[in-house]
Amino acid sequence: EAQVTQNPRYLITVTGKKLTVTCSQNMNHEYMSWYRQDPGLGLRQIYYSMNVEVTDKGDVPEGYKVSRKEKRNFPLILESPSPNQTSLYFCASSYGQGGNEQFFGPGTRLTVL
Amino acid sequence: QKEVEQNSGPLSVPEGAIASLNCTYSDRVSQSFFWYRQYSGKSPELIMSIYSNGDKEDGRFTAQLNKASQYVSLLIRDSQPSDSATYLCAVKGRGQNFVFGPGTRLSVLP
Repeated sequence: EAQVTQNPRYLITVTGKKLTVTCSQNMNHEYMSWYRQDPGLGLRQIYYSMNVEVTDKGDVPEGYKVSRKEKRNFPLILESPSPNQTSLYFCASSYGQGGNEQFFGPGTRLTVL
Repeated sequence: QKEVEQNSGPLSVPEGAIASLNCTYSDRVSQSFFWYRQYSGKSPELIMSIYSNGDKEDGRFTAQLNKASQYVSLLIRDSQPSDSATYLCAVKGRGQNFVFGPGTRLSVLP
């Protein structure tokens, strides 16, 4: 089954404790992105990657890191989480050709205390 | 700052009616436009994409694009209660930068 998977789905952590949210896709997509979704603000792009070892900032990259060492994986790293990073996070992927319709993962709900 | 605006709703329509969802965007260089549907507690799923001025129809859905007015719309004909969801307008800018609107919540009343 073609899908984007994220782990964990739910996470409660404390301020300053480094964490990683994994994202993996099995569709051989070139492009991958991370978004956060907050009430009233919609989806905001954090980082995206157009190829292995190629990443670029989205609109809200502060406090986040990403890496793309393999085509299928695109982990999101919070080196020192803060309460304002409490949010619902989505990973998405798409083909490099065409209009780039994105397929979204199931989401990770993160709470930082 | 690139912006995508939508009426937040909720938009309520009776079953069988046409639901009209609107979106405006600020970045004139945008070339690709998308409508996603998001049910409560679920991830967004693509409904329509549109790249050229005019109308694009897919079943009960019609997307309309007017680049001169920087306006995108989605019409849902014969609305069903199962269409009740939040509809997100997304605009692709340079590279893989996507900007989403805040979404319009649609409620289809039986």
